[in-house]
Amino acid sequence: AQTVTQSQPEMSVQEAETVTLSCTYDTSESDYYLFWYKQPPSRQMILVIRQEAYKQQNATENRFSVNFQKAAKSFSLKISDSQLGDAAMYFCAYRSELRPDTGNQFYFGTGTSLTVIP
Amino acid sequence: NAGVTQTPKFQVLKTGQSMTLQCAQDMNHEYMSWYRQDPGMGLRLIHYSVGAGITDQGEVPNGYNVSRSTTEDFPLRLLSAAPSQTSVYFCASSYSKAGARSPLHFGNGTRLTVT
Repeated sequence: AQTVTQSQPEMSVQEAETVTLSCTYDTSESDYYLFWYKQPPSRQMILVIRQEAYKQQNATENRFSVNFQKAAKSFSLKISDSQLGDAAMYFCAYRSELRPDTGNQFYFGTGTSLTVIP
Repeated sequence: NAGVTQTPKFQVLKTGQSMTLQCAQDMNHEYMSWYRQDPGMGLRLIHYSVGAGITDQGEVPNGYNVSRSTTEDFPLRLLSAAPSQTSVYFCASSYSKAGARSPLHFGNGTRLTVT
C-alpha cells in the first residue's frame, strides 16, 4: 500500500508571510493524483489543490501552489500572503490511477496543523 | 446542492450500544467510504464501496459494518460500541470509474463519544 508522510505535525506563520508544508509519498506507480485538503476548526474537509502526476507543471490556485517533485516523491504546499483564515489542519492525499478494483483508493497523511500569527 | 449529507453531527453512546451513522450523496458517485479521524493518526479508512451491492474493508474495519443497497446511501453501523471507537467519523464519496482525477467530497463529520 502507498504511504503518505507529513513530517511536520505543527507549523506557524506570520500573517502575510509565506509558509511551505511538506508531504512525501511512497509508490511504485507512475500514474496517480495528489491532493491537499484543508480542515478548519469547523471540521469541514475542503479541497485546496490537485496535481496530476503526469503533468510537470505545478498546480496553482490563487495563493496556494505546489512544488511537485515526482522523482523525489515530494508534494509540498506553499501558502503565500498567509491570512488568519488559513489556520487549519492540512492533509496531503494520494490517489492511485491503477487500482479501479478498490475505487482508486485514497491514502492520507497524518496532517499538519497550521497556526497563523496576527 | 446537498453534496454528502452525514447525520448525526454528534452522538454519545454507552459501551455495548449499537447505532447507525447515515450517509447520502446526490452526485451519483460510484465510490463511497467511511473514515475515522483520531489525533495524530490522520484519516483511516474503515470501509468502502465501489458501487451498489459492493463493499470492502479498509484499514480499520473491526467493530463496524456497512451496506450499499443504493448508489446514494452508505450507512455505517457500530455493532457494539467500545470506548476505542470514540472518534470523528467522515463519510466521503467520489467518482472512480473515470479514473483518479476526481477528489473526495466529504460530509461534515460525526463526533462520536463512547462512555
